[in-house]
Amino acid sequence: DAMVIQNPRYQVTQFGKPVTLSCSQTLNHNVMYWYQQKSSQAPKLLFHYYDKDFNNEADTPDNFQSRRPNTSFCFLDIRSPGLGDAAMYLCATSRDKASEETQYFGPGTRLLVL
Amino acid sequence: AQKITQTQPGMFVQEKEAVTLDCTYDTSDPSYGLFWYKQPSSGEMIFLIYQGSYDQQNATEGRYSLNFQKARKSANLVISASQLGDSAMYFCAMREVNTNAGKSTFGDGTTLTVKP
Repeated sequence: DAMVIQNPRYQVTQFGKPVTLSCSQTLNHNVMYWYQQKSSQAPKLLFHYYDKDFNNEADTPDNFQSRRPNTSFCFLDIRSPGLGDAAMYLCATSRDKASEETQYFGPGTRLLVL
Repeated sequence: AQKITQTQPGMFVQEKEAVTLDCTYDTSDPSYGLFWYKQPSSGEMIFLIYQGSYDQQNATEGRYSLNFQKARKSANLVISASQLGDSAMYFCAMREVNTNAGKSTFGDGTTLTVKP
């Protein structure tokens, strides 16, 4: 089945130690998104790629970076995780940005910072 | 101003009964889409139903229907015949093309608990 895959599902890192979360998709969608979701809150968009065009949200900390080496893969790099970065990180895709296009989410990666 | 408002932080419903989850939105964009997602405790966001701003009829998908009242800017989710597996957090989201570059805005969610 076509899907959005995130690895790992759970990630434990130490304060200040760089960490990379990965997302892959078999839907061949043009747009890939990274969201941060803290407990019982709405997902917060960090950035997205439309094909190779990178779009950063204005309030996304510089500590967060992203790479999309090809259509299928997208990575979230947290350069120096702080305790406040502990959250669920959700990757999503959509075919394009039209209003009727559904976003399909991966299962998420829960990040714990010690 | 909040673009998506979900006024019910938590809701309870008896198994097999219907439940309505409220969602109001605010936009000046004539072209937008409204979505509902379910998020179980496992964390995955599951797409449930979509309503387009130009759609004349309310969307339905199995036990889910969307009560779309455009003039009131509301898009309530109705779940019929609730099941224990419906216990989850539910998010209403809106995608605007012209005013928000096709990005989605999510409400704060409603936690639904289905009682046996």
